[in-house]
Amino acid sequence: GENVEQHPSTLSVQEGDSAVIKCTYSDSASNYFPWYKQELGKRPQLIIDIRSNVGEKKDQRIAVTLNKTAKHFSLHITETQPEDSAVYFCAASSTGANSKLTFGKGITLSVRP
Amino acid sequence: KAGVTQTPRYLIKTRGQQVTLSCSPISGHRSVSWYQQTPGQGLQFLFEYFSETQRNKGNFPGRFSGRQFSNSRSEMNVSTLELGDSALYLCASSGPGQGAGELFFGEGSRLTVL
Repeated sequence: GENVEQHPSTLSVQEGDSAVIKCTYSDSASNYFPWYKQELGKRPQLIIDIRSNVGEKKDQRIAVTLNKTAKHFSLHITETQPEDSAVYFCAASSTGANSKLTFGKGITLSVRP
Repeated sequence: KAGVTQTPRYLIKTRGQQVTLSCSPISGHRSVSWYQQTPGQGLQFLFEYFSETQRNKGNFPGRFSGRQFSNSRSEMNVSTLELGDSALYLCASSGPGQGAGELFFGEGSRLTVL
């Protein structure tokens, strides 16, 4: 089955700096890659996703890049703010009817004011 | 539009007991997935139901089971509870179609096993 790994497990940046979170996956059949943000004590929420027919996708201060050959994808956050502090989960799945979303273990991002 | 609702939010059980958790998906969503969240282990997939059928199952022992009703509401049951079952159990719904798409999570049921 699919195996998704996130690196590093924790990341601390200064407010205003950029943060990059990387994930690798194992199943070459995976073609859907979402990122979820979970603030302390709250539910995970989708912040951005990318499908394999696209190499990069942006939404304001966040972007995701995908390298299918190397089987890795990354989340980029620019101009970080304290409210970006949260746990970020990457995930991967195929898009068939029986697809299963496999999550990484999460990375804790801390933005220092 | 109401979000995903999970009950109960908190519960405490002792080893050997069993527990049933409930999840009401967003109206119109037919897929419900369950995840176990523990510190350092992220979100581990338990199972997914679509139109009352289990479509996928994770690598959990048979003590973990679930079902889905005709109104798409889902329940999961854990029998013979162990200390290691202490976790936040999250349910998520998606839809209305099949295949990969955004998951909408509930706030979770936090289970403590003593």
